[in-house]
Amino acid sequence: QVQLQESGPGLVKPSQTLSLTCTVSGDSISSGGYYWSWIRQPAGKGLEWIGHIHPTGTTNYNPSLESRVTISLDTSKSQFSLNLASLTAADTAVYYCARSWPNWHDPWGRGTLVTVSS
Amino acid sequence: DIQMTQSPSSLSASVGDRVTITCRASQSIGSYLNWYQQKPGEAPNLLIFAVVSLQYGVPSRFSGSGSGTDFTLTISSLQPEDFATYYCQQSYSSPHTFGQGTKLEIK
Repeated sequence: QVQLQESGPGLVKPSQTLSLTCTVSGDSISSGGYYWSWIRQPAGKGLEWIGHIHPTGTTNYNPSLESRVTISLDTSKSQFSLNLASLTAADTAVYYCARSWPNWHDPWGRGTLVTVSS
Repeated sequence: DIQMTQSPSSLSASVGDRVTITCRASQSIGSYLNWYQQKPGEAPNLLIFAVVSLQYGVPSRFSGSGSGTDFTLTISSLQPEDFATYYCQQSYSSPHTFGQGTKLEIK
C-alpha cells in the first residue's frame, strides 16, 4: 500500500524559499504511469494544485505560481521535492503531496502546515 | 483557468437522507471530473474519478453523474461518517482546479 509523507519546516520567513520533501513508500516513484503532485490548502479554504513531476523529469506548474515553483525528483531516495521562492503570508497553507494518475490524485500525504511569518 | 462552482456551499442533512451536490464547470470538461471527501484535520480522499468510477473501498451509496459542464455527487443514504466537506476537481486542462467545497453537516 503506497504511503506518502511530507516533511519540512513549519515556519518560514517572508521572502525566503520554502523547501518540502515527500517520501514515498510502498510503490516505485519511477513507475512511468504516475505523476507526483503538490497541492496546498490555506486554512479554512479550498484546494490549489501547485504542480507535478513525471519520472522522466517532465514538470507542469500552475501558471499562478510558475515563476516561483520548482518540483524535482530523487528516485534513489524515493522522494520528490517542492521549492517555492519569494514567500509571502499568502503562501501560508497546509501543503500536501499526492500520487497522480495523472487526472486524479490518490493517495495523499497527511499534509504539513507551513506558516510564513517573521 | 476553468472555474469549478459547487452548490450548495453548505448543507444540513440527517442520517438516512439522500443528498445531492452539484458541480458546474465554466466550460465543457467532458468526463474529466473527480470527487474528494475531506474530514477535519485530514487529507482529501478520492471518492469518484472520471465522473462515475467509484474508487476502491468507497461505499456504493456514493455515486456520480453528469457530463460536459454539469455534474452531481449523490449519497443515497447518509451515514454518520459521511459528514465532511466534498470537493470536485477538473482534470480536462491544466491547471487542474477544484471547486470551493460543500460542507455537509448534521441537521
